[in-house]
Amino acid sequence: EVQLVESGGGWVQPGGSLRLSCVASGFIFSSYDMSWVRQAPGKGLEWVSGISNGGGRTNYADSVEGRFTISRGNSKNTLYLQMNSLRAEDTAVYYCAKHQGLPFDIWGQGTMVTVSS
Amino acid sequence: QSALTQPASVSGSPGQSITISCTGTSSDVGNYNLVSWYQQHPGKAPKLMIYEGSKRPSGVSNRFSASKSGSTSSLTISGLQAEDEADYYCCSHAAGNTYVFGTGTKVTVL
Repeated sequence: EVQLVESGGGWVQPGGSLRLSCVASGFIFSSYDMSWVRQAPGKGLEWVSGISNGGGRTNYADSVEGRFTISRGNSKNTLYLQMNSLRAEDTAVYYCAKHQGLPFDIWGQGTMVTVSS
Repeated sequence: QSALTQPASVSGSPGQSITISCTGTSSDVGNYNLVSWYQQHPGKAPKLMIYEGSKRPSGVSNRFSASKSGSTSSLTISGLQAEDEADYYCCSHAAGNTYVFGTGTKVTVL
């Protein structure tokens, strides 16, 4: 079964850091691009960051550029999102998604990140 | 990276057809034939419904269809059913190898 499982979410104070992980199974992880998409409470979906299958190309939304870093470990079938200088507006459910260009065909169940003092 | 514009809500009775629009610009929807549509039920992850403008993944009902004209993509749900009640989002490739989602549409089955 093709599956993505996120972890690492939690509560953090403004200015703090958090690292999210997404473990993939059921497909050849190293063959696909991956992205993080987030959804603030009661709000819509927002693409956050993407990484190419080999990890050589990364892209970010303007809202997180310079604060978040996406990476992957293909030997571990794992996608990461290092989030620094967190702000209240980063509070959201963070989903990882598999894709090759578009579309995002497989999504994880999400992990909640709460930034609050 | 402005969100694509969708109506906040659309409603219809069972059996009816509804259409959700997704309007972007010449830098995203108008420039790529790669618009995809996602269905999201409350508390659940999004599910791919349409990709590459009008294709359906295996297992998605043929009651879902989509088209594009200029910088606007449209999702049509025909034969509306209670299970179709959900939020729907469009998504397009955008400049700089980024992606942009629509503002989301809540579909209500009356």
